[in-house]
Amino acid sequence: GESVGLHLPTLSVQEGDNSIINCAYSNSASDYFIWYKQESGKGPQFIIDIRSNMDKRQGQRVTVLLNKTVKHLSLQIAATQPGDSAVYFCAENEGTGNQFYFGTGTSLTVIP
Amino acid sequence: DSGVTQTPKHLITATGQRVTLRCSPRSGDLSVYWYQQSLDQGLQFLIQYYNGEERAKGNILERFSAQQFPDLHSELNLSSLELGDSALYFCASSQRAGAKNIQYFGAGTRLSVL
Repeated sequence: GESVGLHLPTLSVQEGDNSIINCAYSNSASDYFIWYKQESGKGPQFIIDIRSNMDKRQGQRVTVLLNKTVKHLSLQIAATQPGDSAVYFCAENEGTGNQFYFGTGTSLTVIP
Repeated sequence: DSGVTQTPKHLITATGQRVTLRCSPRSGDLSVYWYQQSLDQGLQFLIQYYNGEERAKGNILERFSAQQFPDLHSELNLSSLELGDSALYFCASSQRAGAKNIQYFGAGTRLSVL
């Protein structure tokens, strides 16, 4: 099966600092990626997506970087806020399939 | 609020029993996905339905089954329950069936098998 892994299971940052959450994937055929945020007691919430024909995409306070050469994805959160505390998952999709493969998640804690 | 509704929020049952989890997708979404999330694993894809028909299967046990009804709501049936089936079960929906479709998740059903 697919392997989508995260480098760090936990990350603590000071409020106002920038956060970087990393994700490695193993399927070089994967061409679509999504970052999800899951708060305690809630379902995963879509944050941002990126297709493999791009290497960077920006949203509101978030940026996703894709490095296909090393099969690495990162999520950057600018000016991290307490409300950003959650578990973040990356998910990959290989072009012909409907299935997304999710990483195990990184828990982000924002220290006030 | 994602627009995906799951009921019940919590379910407590005993080993050997059977339960049904229900999901209503976002308005206009034709595709429904079921996932299992346990403490030591990430989200595991179980099964997908599109417009009433099974579209893709993941790591779904033979004791589990699902269906999607004409009104597009979906049910996940779990039978002969074991302790290891205790987990969060999420439903997600998307507009279309294919790849590169954002999936929107419900709040989940927490199943506890005692």
